[in-house]
Amino acid sequence: SQQGEEDPQALSIQEGENATMNCSYKTSINNLQWYRQNSGRGLVHLILIRSNEREKHSGRLRVTLDTSKKSSSLLITASRAADTASYFCATDVGAQKLVFGQGTRLTINP
Amino acid sequence: NAGVTQTPKFQVLKTGQSMTLQCAQDMNHEYMSWYRQDPGMGLRLIHYSVGAGITDQGEVPNGYNVSRSTTEDFPLRLLSAAPSQTSVYFCASTPQGRETQYFGPGTRLLVL
Repeated sequence: SQQGEEDPQALSIQEGENATMNCSYKTSINNLQWYRQNSGRGLVHLILIRSNEREKHSGRLRVTLDTSKKSSSLLITASRAADTASYFCATDVGAQKLVFGQGTRLTINP
Repeated sequence: NAGVTQTPKFQVLKTGQSMTLQCAQDMNHEYMSWYRQDPGMGLRLIHYSVGAGITDQGEVPNGYNVSRSTTEDFPLRLLSAAPSQTSVYFCASTPQGRETQYFGPGTRLLVL
């Protein structure tokens, strides 16, 4: 069964706006990771946040983690057309096993 | 480095046929895994390996077999293909001591 549930399932915004995606999970985790998947391609790792961290930044990406609520959010600032993709959260539940959410399909309109 | 490579890119099978999906990595990564992705879904773990000679089952292992005779290769075998195995299959690898996974481009499988 899927560990993570992502919200929204689809998001469409104008170029330059910020995009926020949310992920909820059910069990204890070692870390939570976000991946991007362009249409028809494999997944690309974006950012990892450990269970003892609350916020992490990487370029235009900002990830937060609330372990008490078992939730995470991914913020992409100043969106670009090239950010159009599906975004997945993945929880590391131990032994390097990742459990993926269903993903958020992000469309950036020019 | 070529990274993680998968062959074939696309395959059509008839029900009951068997085949092997190939996965190779040239990064000397210890950990490798196979996932399947169905439409509108995230990835589900089929089998994984923490090193040569060691494999274990993931969330959806039924109907699949794996072996890991070398660090580089991790083939996935479909024993008797069923329409329910129509999916996109991704292989991934992770270096020892790290957590992030490097994904191959995927194999799209259609079982008729």
